[in-house]
Amino acid sequence: RKEVEQDPGPFNVPEGATVAFNCTYSNSASQSFFWYRQDCRKEPKLLMSVYSSGNEDGRFTAQLNRASQYISLLIRDSKLSDSATYLCVVLMDSSYKLIFGSGTRLLVRP
Amino acid sequence: GAVVSQHPSWVICKSGTSVKIECRSLDFQATTMFWYRQFPKQSLMLMATSNEGSKATYEQGVEKDKFLINHASLTLSTLTVTSAHPEDSSFYICSADDRGDYGYTFGSGTRLTVV
Repeated sequence: RKEVEQDPGPFNVPEGATVAFNCTYSNSASQSFFWYRQDCRKEPKLLMSVYSSGNEDGRFTAQLNRASQYISLLIRDSKLSDSATYLCVVLMDSSYKLIFGSGTRLLVRP
Repeated sequence: GAVVSQHPSWVICKSGTSVKIECRSLDFQATTMFWYRQFPKQSLMLMATSNEGSKATYEQGVEKDKFLINHASLTLSTLTVTSAHPEDSSFYICSADDRGDYGYTFGSGTRLTVV
């Protein structure tokens, strides 16, 4: 079983749509969680951290469910510029290693 | 925010030659840097953890004699792909933890093509 699992997509949505991505992780001792965005042939860039209380940054909302070992990302009012691959990332606190999911590809169409 | 500079951004080399990739933290000190490899349509896979002043820690299946890592200062880590082969062609990315609010910052990556 992969340590971090994501639906690879692609999710093809119209502009203005709301889209949600899910991610599960296998190590219950994981403490820190992130969503990164990666554009084609570019490096990943931090989108937001994920906290147990949930957090929101503009059109983006991230949620963490520790009991289910589940992380989500909600994007409201999708823009064309949101088209990218979204990576669910778990930090192994004991080693400070980041473990990446395989990513979910989002395509926002006009 | 924190900046990590990675060079070169792309390189083409012949089989059997060696290639050095540099990763620099520009405005912070990084005692630990990480090297990843990403094949097309796959996720980033951690290759090794680079520790300033000590030996790197390699992930299972990564050949330490093939992927030489040197972290001689708090702002520079280098990855040398020795005796490169076409199957080493990949996107190599470094990252560093600035222990601030920015999470882990990534370099812009190096696209290596071995012909």
